[in-house]
Amino acid sequence: KAGVTQTPRYLIKTRGQQVTLSCSPISGHRSVSWYQQTPGQGLQFLFEYFSETQRNKGNFPGRFSGRQFSNSRSEMNVSTLELGDSALYLCASSSRTGGFDEQYFGPGTRLTVT
Amino acid sequence: QKEVEQNSGPLSVPEGAIASLNCTYSDRGSQSFFWYRQYSGKSPELIMSIYSNGDKEDGRFTAQLNKASQYVSLLIRDSQPSDSATYLCAVKTGFQKLVFGTGTRLLVSP
Repeated sequence: KAGVTQTPRYLIKTRGQQVTLSCSPISGHRSVSWYQQTPGQGLQFLFEYFSETQRNKGNFPGRFSGRQFSNSRSEMNVSTLELGDSALYLCASSSRTGGFDEQYFGPGTRLTVT
Repeated sequence: QKEVEQNSGPLSVPEGAIASLNCTYSDRGSQSFFWYRQYSGKSPELIMSIYSNGDKEDGRFTAQLNKASQYVSLLIRDSQPSDSATYLCAVKTGFQKLVFGTGTRLLVSP
């Protein structure tokens, strides 16, 4: 089975711009979660989507948004980029069935804001 | 108090020794517990999950869970230099969010 894929892998943007990141989950997985990883804060939960609905949201400003499509692929968008948004953005997919909820991560998108 | 706490390390062990990594969590409603390994510059890789009290073994890895003490641990037997990485403890809280600790850096010396 193919793993979680994320595009693009690297991105350089300027302050004030917006960015869209994409995630394709493992085939059959309907849940996609997004995380931000920085050296100072570690892995921080952004949001989770399941069957096109946002199930959970972390403590991030409204500039961070996401969506999920009917094929379970997900996108996250960050508007009005700030320098502090520079981070590794990770998405993880899980099947969310049978009471087990193991999440598998994609390779991440490294975003640099200048 | 952080939701999931780990000692940042580094934890240094010689090759062939047992590495013991520990994690405590604050939400008593937590039901699912995970250990991830992350190599520098890579994304986290799931190595163990545990859902009930006791031990769970998978190859050289053993996860231990004690819900009464709100404590999860990971033992790595016969540690190898290739095990050198950051180990992240993750807890699915009662609010159904997966919360990560900041990770423990493990260094296995030949």
